[in-house]
Amino acid sequence: AQSVTQPDIHITVSEGASLELRCNYSYGATPYLFWYVQSPGQGLQLLLKYFSGDTLVQGIKGFEAEFKRSQSSFNLRKPSVHWSDAAEYFCALTGTASKLTFGTGTRLQVTL
Amino acid sequence: GAVVSQHPSWVICKSGTSVKIECRSLDFQATTMFWYRQFPKQSLMLMATSNEGSKATYEQGVEKDKFLINHASLTLSTLTVTSAHPEDSSFYICSARPPSPGGKNIQYFGAGTRLSVL
Repeated sequence: AQSVTQPDIHITVSEGASLELRCNYSYGATPYLFWYVQSPGQGLQLLLKYFSGDTLVQGIKGFEAEFKRSQSSFNLRKPSVHWSDAAEYFCALTGTASKLTFGTGTRLQVTL
Repeated sequence: GAVVSQHPSWVICKSGTSVKIECRSLDFQATTMFWYRQFPKQSLMLMATSNEGSKATYEQGVEKDKFLINHASLTLSTLTVTSAHPEDSSFYICSARPPSPGGKNIQYFGAGTRLSVL
């Protein structure tokens, strides 16, 4: 069975500070990995994805994520957070089947 | 590109009535669409997978007679909550997946529908 774990339910960072959101997965083969962001009352927007190749992937809004097979991780990073980044972030996984398995999400709060 | 439109964004209905939610892929053809339910401050729970021209596949525990899904075209899927009750109040989100291999299992999400059953 596949699963995604986001250990941090809630993170608070100051505007301008760096950010790292953790994501660990369990899957029997190489997964397809995604990070989505959800603003309150909205749907999900795709930030970035990893399928294969370069393990450091760049996304929109200045986000990047690094796939580490040895650690079964796909952590999301941003060097300098903006107040508009406050939202819920979901890590997700899919394999050969089309279903997405989501983590429980991390709520990011940005203080000014 | 890859825009998914969901309508309505918010609906209030009386208990016992039915509500239809539409999900459209605006700039691509979606052979597969998905319906999720999200409870407050929780993650998304997959309800069903909808394939164009065939019956939807429901996840375990989801009542297919209560949550009717129709995927009549490559750009439209509908979710009808029949005989809605207050416990059906939730945030419903659809997603659409372009055909593989170019789609590579990427799902694009609608903005969601907040259903409130009185």
